[in-house]
Amino acid sequence: AQKVTQAQTEISVVEKEDVTLDCVYETRDTTYYLFWYKQPPSGELVFLIRRNSFDEQNEISGRYSWNFQKSTSSFNFTITASQVVDSAVYFCALRDPGSARQLTFGSGTQLTVLP
Amino acid sequence: DTGVSQNPRHKITKRGQNVTFRCDPISEHNRLYWYRQTLGQGPEFLTYFQNEAQLEKSRLLSDRFSAERPKGSFSTLEIQRTEQGDSAMYLCASSLARPPGELFFGEGSRLTVL
Repeated sequence: AQKVTQAQTEISVVEKEDVTLDCVYETRDTTYYLFWYKQPPSGELVFLIRRNSFDEQNEISGRYSWNFQKSTSSFNFTITASQVVDSAVYFCALRDPGSARQLTFGSGTQLTVLP
Repeated sequence: DTGVSQNPRHKITKRGQNVTFRCDPISEHNRLYWYRQTLGQGPEFLTYFQNEAQLEKSRLLSDRFSAERPKGSFSTLEIQRTEQGDSAMYLCASSLARPPGELFFGEGSRLTVL
């Protein structure tokens, strides 16, 4: 069975600080996908990124970057120069072939960026 | 607005009553999902449709829950004889077959059972 752990329940930072959200996953499969979703106060989850288990290259998109390390089963998310609009709940999720059409989400990290 | 639409946004009901939620997915998406989210937790998978066929159901989906997608477009999720433990946000999402896992979520339907 697959499992996603986000140990940080809440994080608070001051605007312009960098912040890293941790994600650790468990799966028996060698082929899987990892995701990050953002849930702003409006409630609608928004897709941020997908990473294939075969692709360990880190990715950067603007102020967002992701660090995938298969050796430690981690897929961490860093926001550089955080902004108030980044305040949201962030979820890490896993999809493996055994659950071909569903995602297993972590419990989420509430990020608050203070002005 | 061509996003995923859910109705009603909030439903308050008494224990034992039946409730029905509706989801209108993005029109070209053939895959539709229902998830449930309780406070402080991530979404939990309930069921999945490909077109009108219900292909997967979670063990969370007890006999009191039924979902349909009659013409492969909108979907309904009905909960019969509601219990207080059913109080949650019910999320609908839709997607194409590719790219995998890129789900488009609605804003959810919040159920409160008194």
